[in-house]
Amino acid sequence: QQQVKQSPQSLIVQKGGISIINCAYENTAFDYFPWYQQFPGKGPALLIAIRPDVSEKKEGRFTISFNKSAKQFSLHIMDSQPGDSATYFCAASMDYGQNFVFGPGTRLSVLP
Amino acid sequence: DAGITQSPRHKVTETGTPVTLRCHQTENHRYMYWYRQDPGHGLRLIHYSYGVKDTDKGEVSDGYSVSRSKTEDFLLTLESATSSQTSVYFCATLAGEADTQYFGPGTRLTVL
Repeated sequence: QQQVKQSPQSLIVQKGGISIINCAYENTAFDYFPWYQQFPGKGPALLIAIRPDVSEKKEGRFTISFNKSAKQFSLHIMDSQPGDSATYFCAASMDYGQNFVFGPGTRLSVLP
Repeated sequence: DAGITQSPRHKVTETGTPVTLRCHQTENHRYMYWYRQDPGHGLRLIHYSYGVKDTDKGEVSDGYSVSRSKTEDFLLTLESATSSQTSVYFCATLAGEADTQYFGPGTRLTVL
């Protein structure tokens, strides 16, 4: 119940295309769903996050879509750029600070 | 980076030796975490702390211990390192009201 599933494991997109990464969770007690971006040799960094009271959140080219009934959420990267090439992790948390679970990650490669 | 430093950044050690990794933060955050990152597993929580001398176990705590004697420092100790503990270790803190975790730069540990 604590697991967060993430797909695909890897993704190759042409420059200008849309990258879509999907995550699913089981525990309905999760109340915060962040996405992290990690470049090689660096720590993960928060990209965008959503709470279950909204169905979508957009920040620039990055959008989270959230489907509470299906217990799924996804990251959409519009107009993907080579600089977006990184590993992306979805996560879910609850109980402020005491329960964080990460997905296994998606390696995104954006071809020039 | 929320003022998080980790030391050492790289370490090679032999099986059976004790190892201590240090995480230092300058933002006076209450919560601190230790994760390990392995291919295909994402980030897995080892231990976390919710205050000085207050710690709790995470998903993969066997073989690890932690200590937090000051707000700014969180130590991770491998009492007797094994090859299965070869990994990249990340420290994180929790900031603000939005459950945002900030990660350090990581420590790459190799146990021969």
